[in-house]
Amino acid sequence: SAVISQKPSRDICQRGTSLTIQCQVDSQVTMMFWYRQQPGQSLTLIATANQGSEATYESGFVIDKFPISRPNLTFSTLTVSNMSPEDSSIYLCSGGTGDSYEQYFGPGTRLTVT
Amino acid sequence: GQSLEQPSEVTAVEGAIVQINCTYQTSGFYGLSWYQQHDGGAPTFLSYNALDGLEETGRFSSFLSRSDSYGYLLLQELQMKDSASYFCAVKANQAGTALIFGKGTTLSVSS
Repeated sequence: SAVISQKPSRDICQRGTSLTIQCQVDSQVTMMFWYRQQPGQSLTLIATANQGSEATYESGFVIDKFPISRPNLTFSTLTVSNMSPEDSSIYLCSGGTGDSYEQYFGPGTRLTVT
Repeated sequence: GQSLEQPSEVTAVEGAIVQINCTYQTSGFYGLSWYQQHDGGAPTFLSYNALDGLEETGRFSSFLSRSDSYGYLLLQELQMKDSASYFCAVKANQAGTALIFGKGTTLSVSS
């Protein structure tokens, strides 16, 4: 298994600003993902973080708004850029190996944009 | 489109058995997973079915019927700590890509 940490755990930000969320895995994982979850709702995949190359974004998410880095196998960042209140959500990082049917999730970053 | 349907809420009492169903429509299918998420916590992996049949892990079991595009999670001997949201998730691509999650089922266990 893998233990995933995220920081910050929560933040309150002004509209128009940007926030970078960090995700650290305690062991090497093949895949890393970023999800968004509204409280009480399902998880929506934002992108797959690829080591050393550009992330693969899902429909509705773009690199200019959610730039992602993954410089090595155990670390990734997600930036939420030019924030608006609609970006208020919980952002979750996850990692997996092999077939990735079993993913390990970080505790999430609760973002509020005012 | 891709969709996973599960009941939004289920209630039960301690010691009871509850079944949470999941039907899916996805472009590909390589397995069905179940995750548990307590309020304010991270989703945690419970079980996975790639083939038809029942998988048992302690008090939790998961079933899959690929011909019916259907699966369920069975929770036995319910405890208060089982109160949480339960998500089914489909692995829709073979190449190790991410999961498609259902909307989740909130289970409330009372004494």
